[in-house]
Amino acid sequence: DTGVSQDPRHKITKRGQNVTFRCDPISEHNRLYWYRQTLGQGPEFLTYFQNEAQLEKSRLLSDRFSAERPKGSFSTLEIQRTEQGDSAMYLCASSVGAGGVETQYFGPGTRLLVL
Amino acid sequence: AQSVTQLGSHVSVSEGALVLLRCNYSSSVPPYLFWYVQYPNQGLQLLLKYTSAATLVKGINGFEAEFKKSETSFHLTKPSAHMSDAAEYFCAVSETGALTFGSGTRLQVQP
Repeated sequence: DTGVSQDPRHKITKRGQNVTFRCDPISEHNRLYWYRQTLGQGPEFLTYFQNEAQLEKSRLLSDRFSAERPKGSFSTLEIQRTEQGDSAMYLCASSVGAGGVETQYFGPGTRLLVL
Repeated sequence: AQSVTQLGSHVSVSEGALVLLRCNYSSSVPPYLFWYVQYPNQGLQLLLKYTSAATLVKGINGFEAEFKKSETSFHLTKPSAHMSDAAEYFCAVSETGALTFGSGTRLQVQP
C-alpha cells in the first residue's frame, strides 16, 4: 500500500495527558497537511508543511498543539495537556506541487477520544 | 477569506434517480474547487476538481460538476444513483493550498 498512512488509528487518553500522532505521506510528496474533523462536520485545516518548512498554521492550532516534519518526510502532531474538546478525527493529507490546485490524498485518520 | 456552504445535510434519492448535491463558495480570488467523498470508516477520496480549464468537470464513478461563477456555485450531479453512492460528500475550496470544507451532505440511496 503506497497511500498516506497514519498511526495510531485510534487513541483513548485521559484529560491532561499528552498524545502524539504520526503521518507518513506518499513518497516524494512535498506538501503535508493536517486537518481535524469532528462528528457531523467537514474537516478543518490545522497546518501544513512544504518539505520540512511549516508554512501556515490555523488559528485553531492553539499553543498546546505542535507539528513537525523534521526531514521533509513523515510528520508528527503532538497535543499537550489534552482536553475533552480535542476529541476528534485527525486527518493527514499529502500532495505534490504548490499553488492550491494539486490533489490532496488523505490518510484514514487517527480517532482521538479524551476522557 | 474563503468559505463553502453545502445546502442540505441529508439528501435521499431512489436508486436510478438523479443525484444533485449543492455547493456554494466564497473566495477573494479565482478559486480551485473540489468534491471529496467519504465512505464509512474510510479516508476522503477525490471525486473531481475545478482548476479553471473547463467549467464542466467530469469525475470518477459517473459524477460531474459545473462551475458557475455568476452563481458562485459548484453543484455535484450524477444522472443515475447507485446503492454504492451512499456516502458523505464534501465540497471544498482552495486558494493557495489549505482546503476549506463545507459541512458535508450525507447521501442515502433507497432501493
